[in-house]
Amino acid sequence: SAVISQKPSRDICQRGTSLTIQCQVDSQVTMMFWYRQQPGQSLTLIATANQGSEATYESGFVIDKFPISRPNLTFSTLTVSNMSPEDSSIYLCSVDGSTGLEQYFGPGTRLTVT
Amino acid sequence: GQQVMQIPQYQHVQEGEDFTTYCNSSTTLSNIQWYKQRPGGHPVFLIQLVKSGEVKKQKRLTFQFGEAKKNSSLHITATQTTDVGTYFCAGKASGTYKYIFGTGTRLKVLA
Repeated sequence: SAVISQKPSRDICQRGTSLTIQCQVDSQVTMMFWYRQQPGQSLTLIATANQGSEATYESGFVIDKFPISRPNLTFSTLTVSNMSPEDSSIYLCSVDGSTGLEQYFGPGTRLTVT
Repeated sequence: GQQVMQIPQYQHVQEGEDFTTYCNSSTTLSNIQWYKQRPGGHPVFLIQLVKSGEVKKQKRLTFQFGEAKKNSSLHITATQTTDVGTYFCAGKASGTYKYIFGTGTRLKVLA
């Protein structure tokens, strides 16, 4: 199994500012995924991050708003830019397990924008 | 685009009663996964189903994948208070690498 940590675990931010969320995995992985989960809702995939290439964004998410870095095979960051209250959500990173049969999720970052 | 719906949205059961959540995809899936998310926690992988008509069991949990590979179900026998949480299915369409999560079913178990 993969052990994933995220920083920060939670934050309260002012509108118009940006927050960078870090995701660290204890093993090398090819793809890392970033999800958003609004309160009481399902998980929505924001983007997929591969090392050495641009992230692939899902419909409704753009790089200017959610820039992603993937400098190596164990680490990724997601920035939430120019935040508004609508960005208040839990942001989760995940990776595929070594067998490719499962996904492991980080503990999430709970973001509140005031 | 691909959509994955689950019913019911919520279910309250008495401890000891059975529980079933159903997952329906708008497109044919190559495989489907199930996750459990406890309140305040993150999704935890339960199982993956790949074959048409596949049935897998984990203790009191039974998972099925439909013949057409467009639907799935999770059945819990004799629920316990530890079963509380939201159950998500996540489907992957053929030729893609990503999973689309279902809308989830929130289970409450009354002692």
